[in-house]
Amino acid sequence: GESVGLHLPTLSVQEGDNSIINCAYSNSASDYFIWYKQESGKGPQFIIDIRSNMDKRQGQRVTVLLNKTVKHLSLQIAATQPGDSAVYFCAENKGWGKLQFGAGTQVVVTP
Amino acid sequence: ETGVTQSPTHLIKTRGQQVTLRCSSQSGHNTVSWYQQALGQGPQFIFQYYREEENGRGNFPPRFSGLQFPNYSSELNVNALELDDSALYLCASSRMTGRSEETQYFGPGTRLLVL
Repeated sequence: GESVGLHLPTLSVQEGDNSIINCAYSNSASDYFIWYKQESGKGPQFIIDIRSNMDKRQGQRVTVLLNKTVKHLSLQIAATQPGDSAVYFCAENKGWGKLQFGAGTQVVVTP
Repeated sequence: ETGVTQSPTHLIKTRGQQVTLRCSSQSGHNTVSWYQQALGQGPQFIFQYYREEENGRGNFPPRFSGLQFPNYSSELNVNALELDDSALYLCASSRMTGRSEETQYFGPGTRLLVL
């Protein structure tokens, strides 16, 4: 069936390094993806989104890349900081209000 | 912080009881979506309300129901609670224009424990 999934459950990164979180999807017709950050005890926080008419989108310290050929997207965080420690979800907007989330990647920033 | 608020923050119920959770949408938003998030998992879509009607529904039984009010706030009602209903319940609001939906922004969630 259709799915949005993440490659790695946990990512450990040293403070100051760049982080890359990957996400695969299975439906080639998918056209809108969103990255959320969820800190412990809080709701998901919007980071950045991308539609299928784009390959790349940049925000503050974050970049999302979309490769429609291999149905893969990634979130890059530049100069990772301790405050970036959280679970990161990619989500696909499937229409009719439904966001389909993957299981999430735990990012742990070490000093 | 988003402008989406939820109440209560925590709730303990016993199996078989009924529960009502509340959500106020962000200013300028006209839809509310509800999600269930079990521990260690991603949120699962329950349903969305738009124009005071259910606009879309996930794979949840009819004992999960909702309402949307004229001020765009919403309630999630769960009847005949089961132990597996223990989870974090999230609401998200967005702005819908025609059939185009903008980004969903989430509230802090309500933690429900069913004993």
